[in-house]
Amino acid sequence: AQSVTQLDSQVPVFEEAPVELRCNYSSSVSVYLFWYVQYPNQGLQLLLKYLSGSTLVESINGFEAEFNKSQTSFHLRKPSVHISDTAEYFCAVSPASGGSYIPTFGRGTSLIVHP
Amino acid sequence: GAGVSQTPSNKVTEKGKYVELRCDPISGHTALYWYRQSLGQGPEFLIYFQGTGAADDSGLPNDRFFAVRPEGSVSTLKIQRTERGDSAVYLCASSASGTGTDTQYFGPGTRLTVL
Repeated sequence: AQSVTQLDSQVPVFEEAPVELRCNYSSSVSVYLFWYVQYPNQGLQLLLKYLSGSTLVESINGFEAEFNKSQTSFHLRKPSVHISDTAEYFCAVSPASGGSYIPTFGRGTSLIVHP
Repeated sequence: GAGVSQTPSNKVTEKGKYVELRCDPISGHTALYWYRQSLGQGPEFLIYFQGTGAADDSGLPNDRFFAVRPEGSVSTLKIQRTERGDSAVYLCASSASGTGTDTQYFGPGTRLTVL
């Protein structure tokens, strides 16, 4: 079984400031890791994912996340946020083997970008 | 092409009534997932279909919940004898093949309110 902890329920930040959204997970097997974003009044969409290989993964809109196995973390970062990044962000983990790839989601972090 | 669609977008019902929620996945996607998202929480897995069969229904909370996918495309989530605690947003997602590396594409959800 897996679990995901998103330590911050809300992260307020000013536009153009850097941001880090924290995610820690627990699992007895190797994992795949995901960040999903939910913009206001829209469905969840995949932001980025770690499957294997390089521990640093990037999205097309400037976010990045680093898989840290020793700290069981997958924190999401962006060096300079925009108003349009205001959204709910969900971290998720799924087993990388065993045939059942059902993801477990965290509670979400609301990123609020102020002008 | 068209994404995942869900109908209705909102459903208000009375305690004890029966409801059906529909999901139209992306054409050609063999894997289909149902999740439930309560206020302030991340999506919680309910059931996963591979083709027409339920490959994993371990997330269904009790026998009042049932889902079908008779032709391997559209799926219906059925809830009998609804309770106030069933109020949530019900999300559907589909992926091409259901492997762990696949991206899940989410629909906009159906908001169920049980009065």
